[in-house]
Amino acid sequence: AQSVTQLGSHVSVSEGALVLLRCNYSSSVPPYLFWYVQYPNQGLQLLLKYTTGATLVKGINGFEAEFKKSETSFHLTKPSAHMSDAAEYFCAPTTGRRALTFGSGTRLQVQP
Amino acid sequence: DVKVTQSSRYLVKRTGEKVFLECVQDMDHENMFWYRQDPGLGLRLIYFSYDVKMKEKGDIPEGYSVSREKKERFSLILESASTNQTSMYLCASSLRSSRLNTEAFFGQGTRLTVV
Repeated sequence: AQSVTQLGSHVSVSEGALVLLRCNYSSSVPPYLFWYVQYPNQGLQLLLKYTTGATLVKGINGFEAEFKKSETSFHLTKPSAHMSDAAEYFCAPTTGRRALTFGSGTRLQVQP
Repeated sequence: DVKVTQSSRYLVKRTGEKVFLECVQDMDHENMFWYRQDPGLGLRLIYFSYDVKMKEKGDIPEGYSVSREKKERFSLILESASTNQTSMYLCASSLRSSRLNTEAFFGQGTRLTVV
């Protein structure tokens, strides 16, 4: 069965600093991988996804993620945090199941 | 612009009431899902449906049922609401399930409080 671990339920960075949100999945089959973002009082929206091909994936708002099969990881990064990036971020791998399985989420705080 | 609409943003219900949460999508998606979101637990799948009148249990179906009479509408039913069902409920939809890399689109969520 697929499971996903997001290390760190809360991450705090200064504006302009590097953002790194960690995601590790467990699967014997390379999955499709998604990152979703949830702004306060809103639903989730897709940030980026990995399906096949290039392992470095670029998403919206300057975010990117790299699929590393050997490490079963799909960490999310952004070179320079902005106040508007404050939100909750969810990693979601999928393999044989129709519905996405979500990690427990990481709340990103951006300090001025 | 694609849209998943949940009928209520906030609901307050009494213990023992029958509660209906409605979700409508305008994208002609085959798949629809209900998740509940609780702090520290992420999103947990309650039920999903891959076709009209079809449904499958998710990870936490106890205390819930669903109805999908039309393709665009997926309802979540709390047969007898309890305080431990106080949560944020999120509806989502996606294209046919054979495309595993298909993006799910989410509604704004319904924050349900059971008192």
